[in-house]
Amino acid sequence: RKEVEQDPGPFNVPEGATVAFNCTYSNSASQSFFWYRQDCRKEPKLLMSVYSSGNEDGRFTAQLNRASQYISLLIRDSKLSDSATYLCVVSNTDKLIFGTGTRLQVFP
Amino acid sequence: GAVVSQHPSRVICKSGTSVKIECRSLDFQATTMFWYRQFPKQSLMLMATSNEGSKATYEQGVEKDKFLINHASLTLSTLTVTSAHPEDSSFYICSATPARGTYEQYFGPGTRLTVT
Repeated sequence: RKEVEQDPGPFNVPEGATVAFNCTYSNSASQSFFWYRQDCRKEPKLLMSVYSSGNEDGRFTAQLNRASQYISLLIRDSKLSDSATYLCVVSNTDKLIFGTGTRLQVFP
Repeated sequence: GAVVSQHPSRVICKSGTSVKIECRSLDFQATTMFWYRQFPKQSLMLMATSNEGSKATYEQGVEKDKFLINHASLTLSTLTVTSAHPEDSSFYICSATPARGTYEQYFGPGTRLTVT
């Protein structure tokens, strides 16, 4: 079983749509959680950290459920520029464990 | 924000040759640097953790004699792929962290290696 699992997608959504990604992790000792965004042939960039209380950054909302070992990312009012691969990342040391990513394609 | 550079951005080499990739933290001192590899449609896989002035720690399944890592200063780490083979063709990405015990990593732009 992979340490971090994500639905690879792709998710094809129209502009303005709301889309949600989910992720599960296997190591209950994981302590830090993140969503990264990766554009094609580029390095990953931190989108946001994820906290148990949930956190929001503009159109993006992240949630963590430690009991279920489940992380989510909600994107509201999708823009064309949101098209990318979204990587779920967990850590319990200084090492980051990446999921394979969920591909999002927003169309006009 | 913190900037990490990698050089070269793209390299094509012949099978059997060695390739060196540089990773530099431009505006901060990196106590730890990480080297990842990403094959198409797969996740980033950590290859090794490199601390300045000490030997790198390699992940299981990564050959330390094939992937030589040197972290000679607080701003530079190098990865040398020795005797490269076509199956080593991949996207190699480094990251750097300014302090031990922190989860914050700044990624370089990556190096695309093609071995012919």
